[in-house]
Amino acid sequence: EPEVTQTPSHQVTQMGQEVILRCVPISNHLYFYWYRQILGQKVEFLVSFYNNEISEKSEIFDDQFSVERPDGSNFTLKIRSTKLEDSAMYFCASSEEDISGELFFGEGSRLTVL
Amino acid sequence: LAKTTQPISMDSYEGQEVNITCSHNNIATNDYITWYQQFPSQGPRFIIQGYKTKVTNEVASLFIPADRKSSTLSLPRVSLSDTAVYYCLVGIMDSSYKLIFGSGTRLLVRP
Repeated sequence: EPEVTQTPSHQVTQMGQEVILRCVPISNHLYFYWYRQILGQKVEFLVSFYNNEISEKSEIFDDQFSVERPDGSNFTLKIRSTKLEDSAMYFCASSEEDISGELFFGEGSRLTVL
Repeated sequence: LAKTTQPISMDSYEGQEVNITCSHNNIATNDYITWYQQFPSQGPRFIIQGYKTKVTNEVASLFIPADRKSSTLSLPRVSLSDTAVYYCLVGIMDSSYKLIFGSGTRLLVRP
C-alpha cells in the first residue's frame, strides 16, 4: 500500500539552527500538507501546498517557516532559526483531492530543540 | 475564531459501543467530515468520511445531522486495541479555508 514517508524520524538541534524536514508524498497525490503536534496536544495545521505554491497557511506558519517541492517527489519543511517552542512532532500528509479531506499521513518527524 | 471541539476523553469497556461527537460550527459548505485515529508516536490514520446523513464502513459509522454543524463517530463493540485518540477533521472557513483537526478525544477501553 502506498505510504507517505518522512525523514528524519527524530532530530535534535540547538536553538537558532536551521532544520529541514523531508517528506515523500504518495506519488499520484497533488495536495501536500504539514501539521505539527506538540507533545500531549492536538494536531495543528501549518500549511497546505498545491501546484508548487502555498494554498493556505496558519498563524503558526510565520516567516521562519518555508516549504518547498524541490523535485518531483520530495516535499520539505524548513525552519530557519529554531526556537524551543518549535519542539514537536511534525507530520506530512498528502491527498488526491483537496476538498475530500482524506489525508494520508506519514509517521512524523520528532524535532527536539535544546 | 473557528473552533472544532470534542470531549477531551472517554472511557469504555470491551464490547461496548462508543459514540464520539465533534462540533464544527464553521464547516465549509462543500466539505466532507473525516475522522482519524492516532496511536502514540504515530501519524493519524483515516477511519471514515462522510458529507451528510449516515456512512458505515467495516470499522465505524458516521452520523451527520442535516445542519452539518456536528458529527458523531460510532465505534461498535470496541476492543482494547481501539484505545487511541480520535480526531475529526473538517474544512473550516474563517478568514480563509483550512483543514482543521478537532481537539481530539482520548478513548480508553478497559477489559
